Amino acid sequence: GQSLEQPSEVTAVEGAIVQINCTYQTSGFYGLSWYQQHDGGAPTFLSYNGLDGLEETGRFSSFLSRSDSYGYLLLQELQMKDSASYFCAVRDSNYQLIWGAGTKLIIKP
Amino acid sequence: NAGVTQTPKFQVLKTGQSMTLQCAQDMNHEYMSWYRQDPGMGLRLIHYSVGAGITDQGEVPNGYNVSRSTTEDFPLRLLSAAPSQTSVYFCASSYGQGTETQYFGPGTRLLVL
Repeated sequence: GQSLEQPSEVTAVEGAIVQINCTYQTSGFYGLSWYQQHDGGAPTFLSYNGLDGLEETGRFSSFLSRSDSYGYLLLQELQMKDSASYFCAVRDSNYQLIWGAGTKLIIKP
Repeated sequence: NAGVTQTPKFQVLKTGQSMTLQCAQDMNHEYMSWYRQDPGMGLRLIHYSVGAGITDQGEVPNGYNVSRSTTEDFPLRLLSAAPSQTSVYFCASSYGQGTETQYFGPGTRLLVL
């Protein structure tokens, strides 16, 4: 079967750095994406990794290691508005997105 | 641009009723899809379309029908609602099937009694 594993909840302090990990087991792999979803809202696209390495977009970075079937999202200089759920998603051999269950990020002042 | 719009925002149905969830986008995107999101779970693909006149099944298509007569609209029909279909439904669109940036509508919260 296909599965993506990510922690259900992560807690961090405002201004700190937090890493959200994602491991995947899918039939085929065409890239790892990250989405942010605030409570009651719609998912919004954050980043994409098609190849190994680090992608940086402002305070957010995403990393991929295809040999380890592993990636992470790194959030720096945390702000209260970053409190949300973060989802990793893998595009499989059918070119469809398979989603993880999401990581709830709790930020404390 | 309105982006991706969905109606209604909320809906309560009785078991056995049918209804259509509307989705429209004004970005001229070829690829559109429907997901459902249950508490504590990620999104699961119901149906998708790679262009007008073309639709295909996703991971959880049973109990749902779709059609794509225009590029802009992609309605999702519940044929005979069941309590297991209580969920939040999101419509999404992107330029192409392989385009990584998907744009999501605000969602429809459906309760089936």
